Amino acid sequence: DAGVIQSPRHEVTEMGQEVTLRCKPISGHDYLFWYRQTMMRGLELLIYFNNNVPIDDSGMPEDRFSAKMPNASFSTLKIQPSEPRDSAVYFCASSLSSGGAYNEQFFGPGTRLTVL
Amino acid sequence: RKEVEQDPGPFNVPEGATVAFNCTYSNSASQSFFWYRQDCRKEPKLLMSVYSSGNEDGRFTAQLNRASQYISLLIRDSKLSDSATYLCVVPPTRIYNQGGKLIFGQGTELSVKP
Repeated sequence: DAGVIQSPRHEVTEMGQEVTLRCKPISGHDYLFWYRQTMMRGLELLIYFNNNVPIDDSGMPEDRFSAKMPNASFSTLKIQPSEPRDSAVYFCASSLSSGGAYNEQFFGPGTRLTVL
Repeated sequence: RKEVEQDPGPFNVPEGATVAFNCTYSNSASQSFFWYRQDCRKEPKLLMSVYSSGNEDGRFTAQLNRASQYISLLIRDSKLSDSATYLCVVPPTRIYNQGGKLIFGQGTELSVKP
């Protein structure tokens, strides 16, 4: 398996522009997570999906952030309009449910976003 | 109380040293715990799972103290390649199953020097 795939790996954009981050989870995994990591705040969960349905989006900072999962093999995280404080590494992770147990989350390589 | 708190870093140790990190958690009902490792500018990866009193894998030992609600990670005979950030991971503080959601600690940075 190729693992979790994210694109782009690096994104530099100007304030006010729309940014779209993409993720392909591991085939067969039914959970998908979007995280943001900064030096100040560490790894923060933004939103997660189960079987393509958003379960908890309480970590999404504000209305400028939105996430979709149109099918089991693809998800997007969109920021519109972007701001310099959105600069961070954004990780996508996926896992396989197992009767209520907490299973290993597999992370993608991340997208390093810089908003100028 | 935060759901998970870790020792502040960084830990700077010489090669061959034994080092231990502690992590406290707030959910007394938690049954599963994890240590993840994150190398500089890389993604986090699972290092060890802890489901009972502890777990050992080579030079790495994870121990769980349910009464005091903390878990620890012990690294013996540390290597240069052990330099990384170690993340303590616990289930969220809720009664119902949150379906796979995990809470990641801030991480403890370890630097092993020659």
